Amino acid sequence: QVQLVQSGAEVKKPGASVKVSCKASGYTFSNYLIIWVRQAPGQGLEWMGGISENSGSTNSAQKFQGRVTMSTDTSTSTAYMELRSLRSDDTATYYCGRMDYYMDVWGKGTTVTVSS
Amino acid sequence: SSELTQPPSVSVSPGQTARIACSGDSLPNQSTFWYQQKPGQAPVVVIYKDTERPSGIPERFSASSSGTTVTLTIRGVQAEDEADYYCQSIDSSGAWVFGGGTKLTVL
Repeated sequence: QVQLVQSGAEVKKPGASVKVSCKASGYTFSNYLIIWVRQAPGQGLEWMGGISENSGSTNSAQKFQGRVTMSTDTSTSTAYMELRSLRSDDTATYYCGRMDYYMDVWGKGTTVTVSS
Repeated sequence: SSELTQPPSVSVSPGQTARIACSGDSLPNQSTFWYQQKPGQAPVVVIYKDTERPSGIPERFSASSSGTTVTLTIRGVQAEDEADYYCQSIDSSGAWVFGGGTKLTVL
């Protein structure tokens, strides 16, 4: 079945980087965008950006530009989101999702905790 | 960037109609999406492209728009509809924007 499986929870210190993976299965990976959304504890949804494996193009939210890198590995049908220079307010659950006409498939989320 | 404004909370009794508004200057020009999120779960799209309902989403979910406000309507609310609801659109730069979310409580 179509699914996105995300990597496990991470605990990082301020200033470090985190790389979250999102492995797709059950569909042709290159045919869909992958979108990244995060949610801080008790807060709302926040769009981080998206990537098209087909075209290689990315689009990220202005607040993350310079600090986020989205990439894909076609050979493993995996998308990655790397966030650098982590701060305590980056503590959140990070979701990947497949974008067709809408985000129809979501990963279960990866919790990233930033703490000294 | 554009902002989308939602009421923090809406409460209805079972069987009644819930209406959740989302206001923003960009809304007349871009498609709107609505997400339902239950505690500990990933969001689920209940409305896309303004008024379309994904397969598997009950017919009691619908959406409409008027000017700079879009409204998610849930008719015949059921206990299982209790969740957080988020509107989302895209601004002129192509950036996605989410509303702050509305907690729907079924009394």
